[in-house]
Amino acid sequence: EAQVTQNPRYLITVTGKKLTVTCSQNMNHEYMSWYRQDPGLGLRQIYYSMNVEVTDKGDVPEGYKVSRKEKRNFPLILESPSPNQTSLYFCASTSGGGVNEQFFGPGTRLTVL
Amino acid sequence: KQEVTQIPAALSVPEGENLVLNCSFTDSAIYNLQWFRQDPGKGLTSLLLIQSSQREQTSGRLNASLDKSSGRSTLYIAASQPGDSATYLCAAMMYSGGGADGLTFGKGTHLIIQP
Repeated sequence: EAQVTQNPRYLITVTGKKLTVTCSQNMNHEYMSWYRQDPGLGLRQIYYSMNVEVTDKGDVPEGYKVSRKEKRNFPLILESPSPNQTSLYFCASTSGGGVNEQFFGPGTRLTVL
Repeated sequence: KQEVTQIPAALSVPEGENLVLNCSFTDSAIYNLQWFRQDPGKGLTSLLLIQSSQREQTSGRLNASLDKSSGRSTLYIAASQPGDSATYLCAAMMYSGGGADGLTFGKGTHLIIQP
């Protein structure tokens, strides 16, 4: 089944404790991205990657890092999480071939205390 | 910078009614426009994707239209059912010099279908 997976789905952590949220897609998509969703603010793009070893900032990159060492994986790294990073996070991959349809993972609900 | 607005923010209608959700965008240089459905606490499910060269797309009881010149898209839901209750999001994908860019989302329309 074609899908985007994220882990963990739920995470409660404390300020300053480094964490990684993994994202993997099995559709051989080149373009992947991370979004966060907050009440009243909607979905905003954090980082995106157009291919292996190619990443760039989205609208709200501060406090986040990403890497793209393999095509299928695009982990989101919070080196020193803070309470304002409490949010619902979504990973997405984009089909190619000129269609550019986005497929979303199930989401990771992160709480930083 | 692209801005996407969805009106209304919330809508409650009786079961069986036909309804229209609206989405407007400020920059017409879009690559495509996508409608999603999101159930509470869940991920996004893609409903319809309209390429910039298309006028509409249909899937079952759903029909989405696109008018780039006026910066508008609508999602038409026919014969609404309680199972259609969810938040509906539209998102515009921009075209950058290197190809398609990320999505800019509206804040969604929270739809409730009353049994």
